[in-house]
Amino acid sequence: GAVVSQHPSWVICKSGTSVKIECRSLDFQATTMFWYRQFPKQSLMLMATSNEGSKATYEQGVEKDKFLINHASLTLSTLTVTSAHPEDSSFYICSARDLTGEVNSPLHFGNGTRLTVT
Amino acid sequence: DAKTTQPNSMESNEEEPVHLPCNHSTISGTDYIHWYRQLPSQGPEYVIHGLTSNVNNRMASLAIAEDRKSSTLILHRATLRDAAVYYCILSESYTDKLIFGTGTRLQVFP
Repeated sequence: GAVVSQHPSWVICKSGTSVKIECRSLDFQATTMFWYRQFPKQSLMLMATSNEGSKATYEQGVEKDKFLINHASLTLSTLTVTSAHPEDSSFYICSARDLTGEVNSPLHFGNGTRLTVT
Repeated sequence: DAKTTQPNSMESNEEEPVHLPCNHSTISGTDYIHWYRQLPSQGPEYVIHGLTSNVNNRMASLAIAEDRKSSTLILHRATLRDAAVYYCILSESYTDKLIFGTGTRLQVFP
């Protein structure tokens, strides 16, 4: 089945530093990838849509200068949390849809990256 | 975005069938109904999706009401590994993003 790989699976960083999270589709290509954030005991919140070769589309209330997204190829999207603060500590999850599939075909999710900012 | 309403939690015993309900009274004619589940500390996993007709796959069945204002995810024989949060999501046909609601936490007892 289609696999989405996230790296790292967990990271601890100091306040003020930046952290990059990678999301790769291993056996399919994706023109669009999605980034979600999930706080403990809450649901997933869509942060942004990553578009290959163009700018990401951010959901309302998500700072684009804080969460930098780059979708450089059909198999890789990266999310960089810049100048991280403790309130950015969360579970970040990416997902992707096979570009050969229909618009409503299933999304494939990575296993998430747990970010802890100290 | 169209909204869904699910019970916060449900319980089941192992090897019994589980019926997880979802209400989506504001669904439009082109919205697909998706179900995903999330195990602790993992990303969500696709379960099933449909538009109008009932759907079956190796994981579950999806029963869609005739007026499409509600649907039910059916796990035919619950196992301990089915304990998860189950999300019912409406996907608009003109956009490919999924907006998650609060989901139903399913507990399965041996």
